[in-house]
Amino acid sequence: EADIYQTPRYLVIGTGKKITLECSQTMGHDKMYWYQQDPGMELHLIHYSYGVNSTEKGDLSSESTVSRIRTEHFPLTLESARPSHTSQYLCASSDTGKGGNTIYFGEGSWLTVV
Amino acid sequence: GDSVTQMEGPVTLSEEAFLTINCTYTATGYPSLFWYVQYPGEGLQLLLKATKADDKGSNKGFEATYRKETTSFHLEKGSVQVSDSAVYFCALRVASGGSYIPTFGRGTSLIVHP
Repeated sequence: EADIYQTPRYLVIGTGKKITLECSQTMGHDKMYWYQQDPGMELHLIHYSYGVNSTEKGDLSSESTVSRIRTEHFPLTLESARPSHTSQYLCASSDTGKGGNTIYFGEGSWLTVV
Repeated sequence: GDSVTQMEGPVTLSEEAFLTINCTYTATGYPSLFWYVQYPGEGLQLLLKATKADDKGSNKGFEATYRKETTSFHLEKGSVQVSDSAVYFCALRVASGGSYIPTFGRGTSLIVHP
């Protein structure tokens, strides 16, 4: 069972507000990822990290930022939310062990910007 | 680059029917292969995986065999239930010599009618 947690699960905020989506994992994984997904649709990688103090932008252009100060924590911040940011955000993690290298997902954060 | 192609949905079946969801891939290295399932409003859950050629992953009646010669990892279940209705994602990850970034298919929606 995956030990990766996202908060909040559901959030409705006004346009222009700043929001941080939290993601924590207790598996000691060095790789972490943020995906954006519309319901039941394909996943879009927006940020990833190879370890502490490492962050990279993904394939999908995003106005969000991330930080990785601790191995277990990978928060995503939107400085000024817009209705186009309404979506589900999925956090994931994986290790670099041999074989498998399973990617584990959190339950997702549903963001609605009004 | 790496890519995953899976059959488009929705796939609509009656309860107890046989299920096949096709998945083919291209990879720059030797990938591990995964199937994930996503129920409405939730994150992705690992369904099964295979790490080398001819391995068969299985879980909850679902099976998939890693076919290196055909670069395929088709998902099958002998008798589907209404509770199997979900979106299924095929994925790969090249851990050794690769970028460590997982590649996902676009997802296939499965609808099972009573």
